[in-house]
Amino acid sequence: QKEVEQDPGPLSVPEGAIVSLNCTYSNSAFQYFMWYRQYSRKGPELLMYTYSSGNKEDGRFTAQVDKSSKYISLFIRDSQPSDSATYLCAMTYSGGYQKVTFGIGTKLQVIP
Amino acid sequence: DGGITQSPKYLFRKEGQNVTLSCEQNLNHDAMYWYRQDPGQGLRLIYYSQIVNDFQKGDIAEGYSVSREKKESFPLTVTSAQKNPTAFYLCASYNRGTYSSGANVLTFGAGSRLTVL
Repeated sequence: QKEVEQDPGPLSVPEGAIVSLNCTYSNSAFQYFMWYRQYSRKGPELLMYTYSSGNKEDGRFTAQVDKSSKYISLFIRDSQPSDSATYLCAMTYSGGYQKVTFGIGTKLQVIP
Repeated sequence: DGGITQSPKYLFRKEGQNVTLSCEQNLNHDAMYWYRQDPGQGLRLIYYSQIVNDFQKGDIAEGYSVSREKKESFPLTVTSAQKNPTAFYLCASYNRGTYSSGANVLTFGAGSRLTVL
């Protein structure tokens, strides 16, 4: 079993839809949770970052962490064609250098 | 603007040749990393370095070598011993002071795509 599981998709939605992207993980030591967005043939860019459980909102994006269920989500409201990309979840422990563990990435296509 | 520069963007190599991928950062970050990205496998850590003149193997170091002679530079050499080198290679850096909690949030370069002919 992988430490982080993420459905690779592809996920196709119409413009304006609410998108839900999810990851599950097995290591209860993870405390920091990140979402990266990666456009085709580009490097990943940090989208959202949360610590421990709870919600965080930034514009059209909301990140949720449920540590009791070992489940994290990224919601995109009013999705736009420019949101079409691969979304990678990532997580790590606290303090100093720690290896970041990535999900496989979910490919999202928002259709105009 | 501060960032990470990877070069070349595209590289073709014949079997049996060594190639070196360049990674330079002007973010004054302490730690630097090399990842390999393959379709269906996500990001896998090759090597990382926390300080100058020191580096550690990641999960898939076989067939690769690195050096860290300067804080700003972390080149990756793909040797002829790497059995399946065709992939997208990503360099990243991290500074513990980026977030007050000290989280390991990575900044990535644009990547280098290596194809073995």
